[in-house]
Amino acid sequence: DTGVSQDPRHKITKRGQNVTFRCDPISEHNRLYWYRQTLGQGPEFLTYFQNEAQLEKSRLLSDRFSAERPKGSFSTLEIQRTEQGDSAMYLCASSYLNTGELFFGEGSRLTVL
Amino acid sequence: GENVEQHPSTLSVQEGDSAVIKCTYSDSASNYFPWYKQELGKGPQLIIDIRSNVGEKKDQRIAVTLNKTAKHFSLHITETQPEDSAVYFCADSWGKLQFGAGTQVVVTP
Repeated sequence: DTGVSQDPRHKITKRGQNVTFRCDPISEHNRLYWYRQTLGQGPEFLTYFQNEAQLEKSRLLSDRFSAERPKGSFSTLEIQRTEQGDSAMYLCASSYLNTGELFFGEGSRLTVL
Repeated sequence: GENVEQHPSTLSVQEGDSAVIKCTYSDSASNYFPWYKQELGKGPQLIIDIRSNVGEKKDQRIAVTLNKTAKHFSLHITETQPEDSAVYFCADSWGKLQFGAGTQVVVTP
């Protein structure tokens, strides 16, 4: 399977704990995006990378959130001191150069108790 | 674009009928308008897109129309089938997509 893969698919954690999600994009894609999706809503943009450079961060991304793409390949999204409001599906997508189509992974669902 | 509004939020159609979903956008500079389909437990998948220099694009049973003057674009699905049941999202912008809230489409046999 050469699509976008995300790990873990499901994460249940207690409020105040830290969580980290990993995304492996399609290998030849140089852009990688993180989105958050809550029930009944469309995906909300969080941040994106071109190669290893983080080019934009949404105001939704509080200082408890950090994303990295150290070698321009896989990316991690870390949430520190999780809150119940962080419960959502975290979607990763990748694209090639500046083409329009984003290829999404199946997401990592976070539940904060 | 900062704001994409999508209607309706739910749409029930009989198999074989047509379905139409409409979106409006606010950013005059937007020039790329994709539609994504999301099935349960999966990430969104592009089904069709249109660029601002074109008014209509068709791919088999799906089509998208764009009215730049009015800042709205629509998805048309003809001869609907049960496998068309899913959530559909419109979006605008290039690369960093801004999505609408989605339309739950249910096709009943």
